Amino acid sequence: GDSVTQMEGPVTLSEEAFLTINCTYTATGYPSLFWYVQYPGEGLQLLLKATKADDKGSNKGFEATYRKETTSFHLEKGSVQVSDSAVYFCALPAITGGGNKLTFGTGTQLKVEL
Amino acid sequence: DADVTQTPRNRITKTGKRIMLECSQTKGHDRMYWYRQDPGLGLRLIYYSFDVKDINKGEISDGYSVSRQAQAKFSLSLESAIPNQTALYFCATSDPGTSGSYTQYFGPGTRLTVL
Repeated sequence: GDSVTQMEGPVTLSEEAFLTINCTYTATGYPSLFWYVQYPGEGLQLLLKATKADDKGSNKGFEATYRKETTSFHLEKGSVQVSDSAVYFCALPAITGGGNKLTFGTGTQLKVEL
Repeated sequence: DADVTQTPRNRITKTGKRIMLECSQTKGHDRMYWYRQDPGLGLRLIYYSFDVKDINKGEISDGYSVSRQAQAKFSLSLESAIPNQTALYFCATSDPGTSGSYTQYFGPGTRLTVL
């Protein structure tokens, strides 16, 4: 079945460091891909998405490129801030049995320190 | 005001008790979902509903039941709570729209502890 694999955390960085969180997927066809973010004490919210191969999603300085050759959707940010500390989830739709569900990775916790 | 609300935000209960978690949304979406989040396991789908007459089991529905009282309301019940149901529970909504993007919108979560 469809699945998502994320790098394990926690990832601890200093402010202004470069961030990469790896995400690879297994799916039939070329589904849309998502990154969600969960700030402390809050629910998940959509960070960015890409709907087809070679698309680049971007938001709040974060970027991710949909690469079908490597079945990857890695999240990057050039200069992280303390306020980026959160848990990041990669996800893809799992359209089985008529359902429009999301399959999530296990999440990667990011801690940014001064 | 939040588009997706959940009540209660925190609940501590005892083994064997019946618990209901409620979710309301003002986004006008037909599709609603219940997930649970456990450390190291990400989010797992419990139930989902396409509309008030269409309810489906997710990957971990055992021990749970749901009720879709209206388009805007979707409740999750634990008929007889057990300690391994201690988790963070999220409600979400979606509306595929014309692009079929399947973006989901989450509530703030309910932290449930079963003693």
